[in-house]
Amino acid sequence: DAKTTQPPSMDCAEGRAANLPCNHSTISGNEYVYWYRQIHSQGPQYIIHGLKNNETNEMASLIITEDRKSSTLILPHATLRDTAVYYCIVRVANNAGNMLTFGGGTRLMVKP
Amino acid sequence: DAGVIQSPRHEVTEMGQEVTLRCKPISGHDYLFWYRQTMMRGLELLIYFNNNVPIDDSGMPEDRFSAKMPNASFSTLKIQPSEPRDSAVYFCASSLGPRSASGREQYFGPGTRLTVT
Repeated sequence: DAKTTQPPSMDCAEGRAANLPCNHSTISGNEYVYWYRQIHSQGPQYIIHGLKNNETNEMASLIITEDRKSSTLILPHATLRDTAVYYCIVRVANNAGNMLTFGGGTRLMVKP
Repeated sequence: DAGVIQSPRHEVTEMGQEVTLRCKPISGHDYLFWYRQTMMRGLELLIYFNNNVPIDDSGMPEDRFSAKMPNASFSTLKIQPSEPRDSAVYFCASSLGPRSASGREQYFGPGTRLTVT
């Protein structure tokens, strides 16, 4: 699976949009971009995933550049509960399993 | 839905003792994963099962670690003998098989915090 690069930490004001970047310059055509987050003392939580089109769900939006070498996770109105480590993962989906390889992630601190 | 259930939530044991961690996946999920998380190494996949069969155990650190899945609703991760460097948070996750090329999301349990003294 392609390697990802994320900033180690970011701050965001409560109520503002949080934009978390991820570089995956070696991504292959059949690799998907997944985002998970881990709130302190909890297990990781799935947020969203996409291939090349932008995606949106009730939690966030995922913007993938046209060349697919980078993406941005957007939390439109960050709350204090969104303080967590956010992981960007690139993986190939196949019938043999859907393994995840977690990197260092971005520690997002939402401040009042 | 109760989600993925893990027990115990905390375990403190002495070096050399056997430790057994337990996991109940979400009903109907056919994939089960065991991860370990430490400050130094982050989240690492140890092993995963598909339909109760171990598929990839290349992440298991050494022979002291073993995992079983006797049925679709139960899995164990055993460490024998335990060592201080095994201290970590161990997560179990489950998912459905891929419905499409993108696969499925994984649902994680709350984890077991293991301390080996």
